Amino acid sequence: EPEVTQTPSHQVTQMGQEVILRCVPISNHLYFYWYRQILGQKVEFLVSFYNNEISEKSEIFDDQFSVERPDGSNFTLKIRSTKLEDSAMYFCASEVTSGKRKTQYFGPGTRLLVL
Amino acid sequence: QQQVKQSPQSLIVQKGGISIINCAYENTAFDYFPWYQQFPGKGPALLIAIRPDVSEKKEGRFTISFNKSAKQFSLHIMDSQPGDSATYFCAASILNSGYALNFGKGTSLLVTP
Repeated sequence: EPEVTQTPSHQVTQMGQEVILRCVPISNHLYFYWYRQILGQKVEFLVSFYNNEISEKSEIFDDQFSVERPDGSNFTLKIRSTKLEDSAMYFCASEVTSGKRKTQYFGPGTRLLVL
Repeated sequence: QQQVKQSPQSLIVQKGGISIINCAYENTAFDYFPWYQQFPGKGPALLIAIRPDVSEKKEGRFTISFNKSAKQFSLHIMDSQPGDSATYFCAASILNSGYALNFGKGTSLLVTP
């Protein structure tokens, strides 16, 4: 069964450094998402992406964040200058809608730790 | 603003029992209500979903009950098994592509042998 993959699985960085989280969505899916989950808390929406553009973003997704799909397969989330509070698990998801069912397939996540 | 409220935060059920998790939403524009299951170290995975045109949806041991007027929905896990031990998230969204899932805070379910 096709699956969403994410790299790296873990990333440790110093505060103020830039990080890039990578995702390979399921091929033929058109909508992509980034969510984050701070330890022990709920999954929070960051941004959605369609046709090489951001379609929706949350309050969390400020100027420090950016997304792109550089080569038609990878989907990346960049955090320009990491803060301690960016420490979280970051999930990529790709979506397919069929009739009355919408399924977002989540990757295994990247655990980001900012020191 | 918390768009989806979920309870309880944690739940312990004996094997064979019924697990019940409740959610409430606020935005009447939502028309798609999935439940996701998450095991430790994994991403959430879609378990079952319902639209407001039906009051109940059943898939195997998992049933969603939906009350549109009360803006509430719940997940029932019949004959709960230790393998069901996981975190369960309810969510609300708009069915059309491109709309984010608004998750509840999650329920940690432990099914004891």
